[in-house]
Amino acid sequence: NAGVMQNPRHLVRRRGQEARLRCSPMKGHSHVYWYRQLPEEGLKFMVYLQKENIIDESGMPKERFSAEFPKEGPSILRIQQVVRGDSAAYFCASSPLQDARDNEQFFGPGTRLTVL
Amino acid sequence: AQSVTQLGSHVSVSEGALVLLRCNYSSSVPPYLFWYVQYPNQGLQLLLKYTSAATLVKGINGFEAEFKKSETSFHLTKPSAHMSDAAEYFCAVTRMDSSYKLIFGSGTRLLVRP
Repeated sequence: NAGVMQNPRHLVRRRGQEARLRCSPMKGHSHVYWYRQLPEEGLKFMVYLQKENIIDESGMPKERFSAEFPKEGPSILRIQQVVRGDSAAYFCASSPLQDARDNEQFFGPGTRLTVL
Repeated sequence: AQSVTQLGSHVSVSEGALVLLRCNYSSSVPPYLFWYVQYPNQGLQLLLKYTSAATLVKGINGFEAEFKKSETSFHLTKPSAHMSDAAEYFCAVTRMDSSYKLIFGSGTRLLVRP
């Protein structure tokens, strides 16, 4: 059973470009979380999605950031008009449970975004 | 509101010595607590979790943690450090609302000296 897959692993963008980060959850998992890790910091929650629904986007910046998890295909985190402050590692995690009370989340290897 | 505090951004131990990484939590409801390990340029791997069963939790790679409600702590220990334990360790608490998102501490980098 393959783990959580993220691509690309490394992404370089110039200021003003768009960044698209992809996450394929583990087989059978329908819950996806996105976290951001700034240099020398812990992970910060961004958004929680189930298939075709955004459940909690309280950690998403109000502008330029969006996320989706379509019925078919990977979850996408999209950052428009990137700025240098968006440089970070973005991690996706998936969970299998409807009632994730112990919420074991399985993390992907991350996408490291560098904005020049 | 729930939060996690990790005391000590860096901990250095000698190989074979006791490892103690500190985590204190704040929660208005019984928490679910986790320890994750992150090796350089990799994702997070679950070491162990506390979900209101036994207060002493054993995890992978010889690590364990004890939930102490009176001290609001969930410190991570390992009796004898190995060079391969050098990594970043994160304590986390689950936000007990509809999203069950993880609230992470700022992390502790463990250095193991030969």
